[in-house]
Amino acid sequence: QVQLKESGPGLVQPSETLSLTCTVSGFSLTSYSVSWVRQPSGKGPEWMGRMWYDGDTAYNSALKSRLSISRDTSKNQVFLKMNSLQTDDTGTYYCTRDPRAFDYWGQGVMVTVSS
Amino acid sequence: DIQMTQSPASLSASLGETVTIECRASEDIYNGLAWYQQKPGKSPQLLIYNANSLHTGVPSRFSGSGSGTQYSLKINSLQSEDVASYFCQQYYNYRTFGGGTKLELK
Repeated sequence: QVQLKESGPGLVQPSETLSLTCTVSGFSLTSYSVSWVRQPSGKGPEWMGRMWYDGDTAYNSALKSRLSISRDTSKNQVFLKMNSLQTDDTGTYYCTRDPRAFDYWGQGVMVTVSS
Repeated sequence: DIQMTQSPASLSASLGETVTIECRASEDIYNGLAWYQQKPGKSPQLLIYNANSLHTGVPSRFSGSGSGTQYSLKINSLQSEDVASYFCQQYYNYRTFGGGTKLELK
């Protein structure tokens, strides 16, 4: 069955870089795109960016200067790196399967930006 | 960037009632719209895609409609398990979420 699982540090220092991994199973990264979505506590989701099935990427214009998404198809993993973190980057980070609508979501990983 | 404006931000309704949530796009999104349900502490779950197509396993009391820039989600005969937050999302050009609607029982 289709599964996505996020992993990464729960606590990041201000100004540092966040690195997250999304490990997928039940589908191929060369057949489906994967998006990253974040959600501050009590607020709506924000789309961050997308790894296309063909290896191309697309980013939210508000985050583009700080964000990088890559993948390792041999390991079924998609990676997110975002630099210069601030306290308002605190929230839950999800990876989702993205054929257009997000039909499968990971459980999310809570990231807190604090010193 | 396409902006999505969702209303109302919160809604209180009784069991058995019909509820409607609206979403307006800043430009035509050609039915590239999805609706999600999110319960506290859980990931969002897809309800509707392509504006009016029901995702697998979603109860038929949920329905979506609209075109152009105006879309809506309707829940018929509200059940207690429908208490949740609901979000619209456009995927016509990149992806953008609406601000959400928190649905509570009256």
